[in-house]
Amino acid sequence: NAGVTQTPKFRILKIGQSMTLQCTQDMNHNYMYWYRQDPGMGLKLIYYSVGAGITDKGEVPNGYNVSRSTTEDFPLRLELAAPSQTSVYFCASRPDEGAYGYTFGSGTRLTVV
Amino acid sequence: RKEVEQDPGPFNVPEGATVAFNCTYSNSASQSFFWYRQDCRKEPKLLMSVYSSGNEDGRFTAQLNRASQYISLLIRDSKLSDSATYLCVVNSDSWGKLQFGAGTQVVVTP
Repeated sequence: NAGVTQTPKFRILKIGQSMTLQCTQDMNHNYMYWYRQDPGMGLKLIYYSVGAGITDKGEVPNGYNVSRSTTEDFPLRLELAAPSQTSVYFCASRPDEGAYGYTFGSGTRLTVV
Repeated sequence: RKEVEQDPGPFNVPEGATVAFNCTYSNSASQSFFWYRQDCRKEPKLLMSVYSSGNEDGRFTAQLNRASQYISLLIRDSKLSDSATYLCVVNSDSWGKLQFGAGTQVVVTP
């Protein structure tokens, strides 16, 4: 099993550019999440999804959008990139039942210059 | 006030020694508690869940104190490979959204 796969691993964007961070999981998990991690800070929830076609905002959604057309894929879209979006982005999923243990992807390191 | 607070450390620990650290959480309605481990520039990985009665997993012991709203992690017989940042994580809703502390850095030295 691949688990949770994120692409790209690294990216440099110029201010105002847009991009999509890809996240795919092969565990048939309904629950998926996008977090960002800034240096010295805890992970902050951007968006989450409880199943295909259902998404909702987390703590820091401004500047981002998501879609969930399939169970497997949960892409995160950045529109009009800003330096404040420089961060490490983690996608995660979890099974419907159980103790909420997440499986994380390996992350995308994004720099906006 | 942060939802989950941790001492950032670093805790410098000689190999073979015991180290313990806590985290506090602000939401008294929190339901589930976890310790995650994060190595430098890597994704967080679940170390262990924390149960009300306390629980052990090998050299790791976790405790929960609901009255004082803190959880603790104790590492016995520390190994060099235990060097990492330990994230205190709390769940307070039914959608599984987790609140992460900023982490406690542990450095085990030979």
